[in-house]
Amino acid sequence: AAGVIQSPRHLIKEKRETATLKCYPIPRHDTVYWYQQGPGQDPQFLISFYEKMQSDKGSIPDRFSAQQFSDYHSELNMSSLELGDSALYFCASTMPGGPPVFGSGTQLSVL
Amino acid sequence: DAKTTQPPSMDCAEGRAANLPCNHSTISGNEYVYWYRQIHSQGPQYIIHGLKNNETNEMASLIITEDRKSSTLILPHATLRDTAVYYCIVRPNQAGTALIFGKGTTLSVSS
Repeated sequence: AAGVIQSPRHLIKEKRETATLKCYPIPRHDTVYWYQQGPGQDPQFLISFYEKMQSDKGSIPDRFSAQQFSDYHSELNMSSLELGDSALYFCASTMPGGPPVFGSGTQLSVL
Repeated sequence: DAKTTQPPSMDCAEGRAANLPCNHSTISGNEYVYWYRQIHSQGPQYIIHGLKNNETNEMASLIITEDRKSSTLILPHATLRDTAVYYCIVRPNQAGTALIFGKGTTLSVSS
């Protein structure tokens, strides 16, 4: 079965650089969620989109932005990267009435 | 904030049933109980969810008390591969509403 696809799998950036993470939801899933998980931490919700509109917002820094496109894929844009942004970033998608399904994540390392 | 309470850790012998408890005393009438697990650095994996009736699937059983203030996830025959962090989450079954992860239970299955 098709799963949630995230790219890239690994990303290394320097401080103050920008990064773009991509998420391709399961076909026919109309909602996308973004999570950040620091080392030894539990996943923290950042933001979600339903039918291309922002639907819920968590602890997303102002330096981060995200959007969902017409083909339902989503991108998380991160600017002025800090060392503390080093984390696993997960995307999840869901169809109406279904449970969120998570991707394998992007490991971001900020040096 | 997470609305559930789980023990931080549990041990289980391989082949025995693992019973993971969760308290959600402030659950609202429209909120479902979801269970996910996360094996180190992988994306959270959906296990099961329910509203008020007990549920069973190929992975596990979910027992919800009549007053819905607590639930138990049952893995009937635990294997070493079930070693993971298990998260109990309450969430309305509403498009775009995020899963908010709290402190889960680290289940260690040993031979």
